[in-house]
Amino acid sequence: GAGVSQSPSNKVTEKGKDVELRCDPISGHTALYWYRQSLGQGLEFLIYFQGNSAPDKSGLPSDRFSAERTGGSVSTLTIQRTQQEDSAVYLCASSPRHQTLTPGELFFGEGSRLTVL
Amino acid sequence: TQLLEQSPQFLSIQEGENLTVYCNSSSVFSSLQWYRQEPGEGPVLLVTVVTGGEVKKLKRLTFQFGDARKDSSLHITAAQPGDTGLYLCAGGGAGNNRKLIWGLGTSLAVNP
Repeated sequence: GAGVSQSPSNKVTEKGKDVELRCDPISGHTALYWYRQSLGQGLEFLIYFQGNSAPDKSGLPSDRFSAERTGGSVSTLTIQRTQQEDSAVYLCASSPRHQTLTPGELFFGEGSRLTVL
Repeated sequence: TQLLEQSPQFLSIQEGENLTVYCNSSSVFSSLQWYRQEPGEGPVLLVTVVTGGEVKKLKRLTFQFGDARKDSSLHITAAQPGDTGLYLCAGGGAGNNRKLIWGLGTSLAVNP
């Protein structure tokens, strides 16, 4: 497809289990972002990848969260030992490399809804 | 800490009515983006405004960036059920999407 693809679309897990969420960005987009969206909360920045640069991990809420991006394309967000407060929609977005003075458009996937029981 | 406040939080109107939603901050932003998010989908960019006082129109939607670049408004004329969704504003610095500051959104329902 031409858009950002995320999987799974829905994930129900038990507290304490690990989960992996996948994002396949738009081909050619070198910037990739992970956000978390909880009910009543805005989009919370988690992590940012740009090309071969070191990722900006400043938004990760705890060391249980990690992400990697292989080959400058697909990214995986891993949450270890999930807690109930991790329940949210996890959104991935990609953006073209070229950024001028104006922030460019973020292209979002449909999100992965995580429910931790 | 930079914050963006959106108002109203919820809005339910009848088809054909006009409405305005607001995005306010005490901070100055270099640019401001408006996105619309429908249930089960990711946000989709509607517009980016960068100049104080700038007005942009997208069919029945009119976006304005405040003169001081601290606030923005979105006006919809003759709302239609297809306008239903969550409207999010995001303020940012120059060329730096990861520093975008997001509002909580205005949830709009347009009833036929």
